[in-house]
Amino acid sequence: GAVVSQHPSWVICKSGTSVKIECRSLDFQATTMFWYRQFPKQSLMLMATSNEGSKATYEQGVEKDKFLINHASLTLSTLTVTSAHPEDSSFYICSARRQGPDGYTFGSGTRLTVV
Amino acid sequence: GIQVEQSPPDLILQEGANSTLRCNFSDSVNNLQWFHQNPWGQLINLFYIPSGTKQNGRLSATTVATERYSLLYISSSQTTDSGVYFCAVAVAAGNKLTFGGGTRVLVKP
Repeated sequence: GAVVSQHPSWVICKSGTSVKIECRSLDFQATTMFWYRQFPKQSLMLMATSNEGSKATYEQGVEKDKFLINHASLTLSTLTVTSAHPEDSSFYICSARRQGPDGYTFGSGTRLTVV
Repeated sequence: GIQVEQSPPDLILQEGANSTLRCNFSDSVNNLQWFHQNPWGQLINLFYIPSGTKQNGRLSATTVATERYSLLYISSSQTTDSGVYFCAVAVAAGNKLTFGGGTRVLVKP
């Protein structure tokens, strides 16, 4: 149980285009989802926290107009990278919060390359 | 916000060796977890351990909450143990997890 599906697993896009990444909790309801970004050989940095039905809370320094987060249902959150640029190339990982003390389940990540 | 520091940053082991990874955190935590990130990026949850000691096969972990640190022990290391080990903490139930910088482990045959 407690599976989080993240798609796509990798994507290459042209500079200036937008890319949408989906994060789904398959067998549980997630009122809260988290989006992280990881640059090569670095740690995971939290970008934003999304709560179902409300606006996401962004971490300091993360552009909310560039990284659009939608959490329209209890099982789906999406991250859209708008007007992507090469510096947005990174590994993006979502996490869904489920009930229980260790209730953080991570998706398998999306490797974004902007050319 | 809370600071999480891991040491050492890199570790090279010969297969069969034992090792200890450390995680220091700057404030009281409600949640502490150890993860292993495999070469494909997937995070595998190893332990949920805000306090006390747990063991799972060749891995064990100890958290001394009053002194704000946690240790992950790897015994009889295998090449499949290679990867990056992260410690992550949350200061309140349901809160965001803050990750340490990770320890990159390479186990040589």
